[in-house]
Amino acid sequence: EDQVTQSPEALRLQEGESSSLNCSYTVSGLRGLFWYRQDPGKGPEFLFTLYSAGEEKEKERLKATLTKKESFLHITAPKPEDSATYLCAVRMYSGGGADGLTFGKGTHLIIQP
Amino acid sequence: EAGVAQSPRYKIIEKRQSVAFWCNPISGHATLYWYQQILGQGPKLLIQFQNNGVVDDSQLPKDRFSAERLKGVDSTLKIQPAKLEDSAVYLCASSKGGKETQYFGPGTRLLVL
Repeated sequence: EDQVTQSPEALRLQEGESSSLNCSYTVSGLRGLFWYRQDPGKGPEFLFTLYSAGEEKEKERLKATLTKKESFLHITAPKPEDSATYLCAVRMYSGGGADGLTFGKGTHLIIQP
Repeated sequence: EAGVAQSPRYKIIEKRQSVAFWCNPISGHATLYWYQQILGQGPKLLIQFQNNGVVDDSQLPKDRFSAERLKGVDSTLKIQPAKLEDSAVYLCASSKGGKETQYFGPGTRLLVL
């Protein structure tokens, strides 16, 4: 069965303290790995899509990388406004046009001033 | 460009009652998804529509859940009768289709007492 595992479940950092979030996956026929940010009481907000091992994407203080078995979301010099739950999801190959996402449980990130 | 709209934002019902949620996707998006997010979990796909046809409903509890997308635009998700374990956030997402990004609405928070 396809699985997505995120670690750690929760992370508390000081403002400016860089770190990485991990997403490991076991899927057959990966058709994309996605990172979303979710604030309390809101829907997930799209951040990145990665398709192949070695690919990297950046946005402000965030950089996402992908290997054959896992993805990392690196956060550099975070600010309090980066506090949120970060969700990883995969889209696997499936016949008939089905392309729903399988999500991990998320990493709850808190950045303290 | 307007995002995905959902209503109501909150709903409290007694178990065994019925409830319906409404979603209006981003204009021009052919694909629409309903996800269920239980507290502390990542979203779980319930059903995917392509235009007004069902592409994937393999994880939809069909004995109590139903969904439709008339005219290939708006969609409704219904639960009848509701159980305590249906308490969750119901998220609607849409995409242009294929490998395109899924964009989420704010969700409907359901509490079943």
